Amino acid sequence: NAGVTQTPKFQVLKTGQSMTLQCAQDMNHNSMYWYRQDPGMGLRLIYYSASEGTTDKGEVPNGYNVSRLNKREFSLRLESAAPSQTSVYFCASNWGPGQNTEAFFGQGTRLTVV
Amino acid sequence: KQEVTQIPAALSVPEGENLVLNCSFTDSAIYNLQWFRQDPGKGLTSLLLIQSSQREQTSGRLNASLDKSSGRSTLYIAASQPGDSATYLCAVPQNNAGNMLTFGGGTRLMVKP
Repeated sequence: NAGVTQTPKFQVLKTGQSMTLQCAQDMNHNSMYWYRQDPGMGLRLIYYSASEGTTDKGEVPNGYNVSRLNKREFSLRLESAAPSQTSVYFCASNWGPGQNTEAFFGQGTRLTVV
Repeated sequence: KQEVTQIPAALSVPEGENLVLNCSFTDSAIYNLQWFRQDPGKGLTSLLLIQSSQREQTSGRLNASLDKSSGRSTLYIAASQPGDSATYLCAVPQNNAGNMLTFGGGTRLMVKP
């Protein structure tokens, strides 16, 4: 079972460059999320998509855009990378609201902006 | 706004000990609470999901309890092993359409042989 797959796993960007982080899930989940994890700051939500066709800002959306391409795929785009965006990025998915909705995470993308 | 706190931030124990990790949250109106494990440089692995209607959930040597009224959850690890060394995170979903998770800061566990 693939679960949640993120690409790439590692990336180094120069300041000002752009890139797109890809995420795909094979569990037919309705909701998908992008988090970043930084030392001392924990996991913070960047953007989420509650269902196909919708996206909303999370806690730290500045400098990012997202696209819910279809039910399986949710991409995160950095239009002009900044050193402050050096972080580990995680994609996650779940069914949406409800007691049984367990979240599953990808293995992460480690991004360095120089 | 939901806030999640985990105590202690770090814990070092000898192999074989039983141990308890704590998680507290400020808003008791939650659907569920989820415990994750994160190994260094890796993603988050779901350990246990405990529903709001449950008091306990067990998986192998792990037992999670939930007390919504007091805003607390505990993760009990029995007979700890060096392979249990990792960071343990608890998370609760926000009670809205987005259902996004709010995470605690984690407890970094080291089990010494």
